[in-house]
Formats: sequence, C-alpha cells, structure tokens
Amino acid sequence: AIRMTQSPSSFSASTGDRVAITCRASQGISSYLAWYQQKPGKAPKLLIYAASTLQSGVPSRFSGSGSGTDFTLTISCLQSEDFATYYCQQYYNYPTFGQGTRLEIK
Amino acid sequence: QVQLVESGGGLVKPGGSLRLSCGASGLNVREYFMSWIRQAPGKGLEWVSYISSSSSYTNYADSVKGRFTISRDNAKNSVYLQMNSLRAEDTAVYYCASGQYDPAVGDYWGQGTLVTVSS
Repeated sequence: AIRMTQSPSSFSASTGDRVAITCRASQGISSYLAWYQQKPGKAPKLLIYAASTLQSGVPSRFSGSGSGTDFTLTISCLQSEDFATYYCQQYYNYPTFGQGTRLEIK
Repeated sequence: QVQLVESGGGLVKPGGSLRLSCGASGLNVREYFMSWIRQAPGKGLEWVSYISSSSSYTNYADSVKGRFTISRDNAKNSVYLQMNSLRAEDTAVYYCASGQYDPAVGDYWGQGTLVTVSS
C-alpha cells in the first residue's frame, strides 16, 4: 500500500496567516491526490482533487500543488472557519489517507 | 441539494454481523461509484470499499476483505455494506460517499453511522 505522510501533524496559526501543509507519498502517484477538511463531529469535506483542482464551492484561498511524490495544500489567508483537521488522500491505486494535520488557533 | 444518509450502525458482539445502508437524495447513485470510508474514534480515515455504478467492480481494504461485502440497489438509490465476522478493530464511524470525479474521491459524504464492536 502507498503510505502518505503529512507534515506537520499539528500546528497553530492566526487568522490572516498564510499556511501550508505538505503531503509525501511513498511512491509516485502522478496527480492522483485529494485534500479534505474535517471539523469535529462532522464528515470530511472535499477541498481539492487531481492535486490542484478546486472542488466547486470551496473558497479560492485554498490551493493545491505538486505531482509525483510531494504535494502542498496552501491556505492563503486563514479564516476562523478554517481551523480544522486536514487529510491528504492518494487514489493512484487503492486509496489511502495521510494521518491528518490539525490546524489550531494561536 | 445532495444528501447521503447512513443507517444500521449500533452495538454488536465480536463475531457478529451488521448491515449498513446509505440512502441518497438529490443524487442519482446509478451514475456514480459509491464508497464506504471509516474512522475509528480519535483516529484517521480508512477507505473500506467502493463499488462501480453497474456493480460489476468492487474493491476492498485488506483489513476487511473476505468479511465485508458492498452492494447497491440503484432502483432504491441506495448502497449497502454487509459486515460479517466483526472485530473490535472494526469499531468506527462509517461514512458513505459518492465518487463523481473518480471512484476513490469522495465528493459528497453522509453524516456517518457509528458501529461499536464489543462484548
């Protein structure tokens, strides 16, 4: 199975900050990568698929980049509603998720 | 407005069985791959299984292969997960999700149903 490793596992930031979360695959996955946001007690929400395609309705402050083994989710100007846990997921072969990155308010 | 609603979760003893259901509204499941994904309490996400729109193709995580069966009834706009030989490590919230862009990209998700395996 392809192992997905996110970094950092958790961090804190302030509203208005620009933040980035990285995701590394244990082997090349082309652009078969999705990002999800999950808030406590809620289902995950798709943000980005195909590494950089923004899901309909997702604010443009979210962006994704990368291909092969290294990927980044960037939030350009943090809003209060963005504090959540973020997961990357590969679908190059049987889908696997990263361990999650918890983003907290500083 | 798309809504996926899971049901059928609950408390079951190790070795027991449960059948989860996922009903859809605002979305014609016959057009999409459908999946089950789970999340153990306080843990990350695990893709359990997915099924093609025609039911001709299914795939499972190694952890559930041979014990779980995914199926669908397009006439009822529903997807199911039959879970047999349940283990304590199957305890999780189970979500169903649709795959509009790819079989294994969850664009719409249900709210989840909790399965607890305990004696």
